[in-house]
Amino acid sequence: QKEVEQDPGPLSVPEGAIVSLNCTYSNSAFQYFMWYRQYSRKGPELLMYTYSSGNKEDGRFTAQVDKSSKYISLFIRDSQPSDSATYLCAMDHTGGFKTIFGAGTRLFVKA
Amino acid sequence: GAGVSQSPSNKVTEKGKDVELRCDPISGHTALYWYRQSLGQGLEFLIYFQGNSAPDKSGLPSDRFSAERTGGSVSTLTIQRTQQEDSAVYLCASSLERSFFGTEAFFGQGTRLTVV
Repeated sequence: QKEVEQDPGPLSVPEGAIVSLNCTYSNSAFQYFMWYRQYSRKGPELLMYTYSSGNKEDGRFTAQVDKSSKYISLFIRDSQPSDSATYLCAMDHTGGFKTIFGAGTRLFVKA
Repeated sequence: GAGVSQSPSNKVTEKGKDVELRCDPISGHTALYWYRQSLGQGLEFLIYFQGNSAPDKSGLPSDRFSAERTGGSVSTLTIQRTQQEDSAVYLCASSLERSFFGTEAFFGQGTRLTVV
């Protein structure tokens, strides 16, 4: 079993929809949770990060962490075609470099 | 340039040949990471360099893989006797701090390696 599970999709939604992207994990020691966005043929870029449980909002993006369920989510409101990308969740327990990544979910937002 | 630069962008090689992949990190970044991204597998940690400290090579999948970082800047990932399962995108990232968290790690565009 992988430490981090993420549905690879693809997920296709119409422009303006609310998108929900999720990851589950097995290591209860994980404390730091991140979301990366990766456009085609580009390297991943950090989108949001959170520590422990709770929510964090940044513009149209909201990250949620539920440590009791070992479940994290990224919500995108008013999705735009420019949001079409692969979204990778990532996490680690030391704040260190061996961050564990999910497989990534491919998102398509149709105009 | 201002970002992490990797070369070549694409590399096709024959099985059994050696390849070298290059990473130029952002100037002043002391931490440098190599990851491998295979289809549907997410990012797999390979190796980490921090300043002049000994690198953490715990993620290298076999002794055919090696990496060095010269002068605390440019890094080269070498794969000897390439196998078809080595085909993947190899990503390099650098950051100012040791940790990813709270300190953004910048990724290069990757080298797409195809072993035929």
